[in-house]
Amino acid sequence: DSGVTQTPKHLITATGQRVTLRCSPRSGDLSVYWYQQSLDQGLQFLIQYYNGEERAKGNILERFSAQQFPDLHSELNLSSLELGDSALYFCASSELQGGISPLHFGNGTRLTVT
Amino acid sequence: DAKTTQPTSMDCAEGRAANLPCNHSTISGNEYVYWYRQIHSQGPQYIIHGLKNNETNEMASLIITEDRKSSTLILPHATLRDTAVYYCIVRLYTGTASKLTFGTGTRLQVTL
Repeated sequence: DSGVTQTPKHLITATGQRVTLRCSPRSGDLSVYWYQQSLDQGLQFLIQYYNGEERAKGNILERFSAQQFPDLHSELNLSSLELGDSALYFCASSELQGGISPLHFGNGTRLTVT
Repeated sequence: DAKTTQPTSMDCAEGRAANLPCNHSTISGNEYVYWYRQIHSQGPQYIIHGLKNNETNEMASLIITEDRKSSTLILPHATLRDTAVYYCIVRLYTGTASKLTFGTGTRLQVTL
């Protein structure tokens, strides 16, 4: 158990809808990262937050947004969903803003868009 | 971040050592080598990381060549539960934002 909690584990929704994925980092971790894993793209970095502020951005679509709250949990919002958004979405956390502290991953949310 | 090259797949007999190679010939002096694994769509699991010295923990050993252009992850006594995709990642140390960039990894199959 990595200590990173993601909810829900599974989500099935229709095209055009909006969903929110939630992540609780390990106790004491200030950085949260979001990744997307689809069959044809592998693990893709989306965005990172540190102590409530956005710190790095990857290939995140404009339809997607994220935030980190004062209690350090994070949410990833996906809107106007398309079939191609079906994927596993992983959250990770680490102790420091950067440095060499390893990332610890949750077990993901499996999103299916029908 | 430096690019890494790993074999697509490898097999290992249970109880034997699994040696997973990784080439990172363009690595720079302030880049670390990390290894993660992913078991059947679970979240990636951190294994070990190092800069230039060999490292060992309860899961594995990491051997980095003197020129740092390649490394080997060693699972000393592989079990069926070690069947997974193993990712070798080079990560830049910046002191600030530092994501991990995953490649395609090596699919390790441990067999009886």
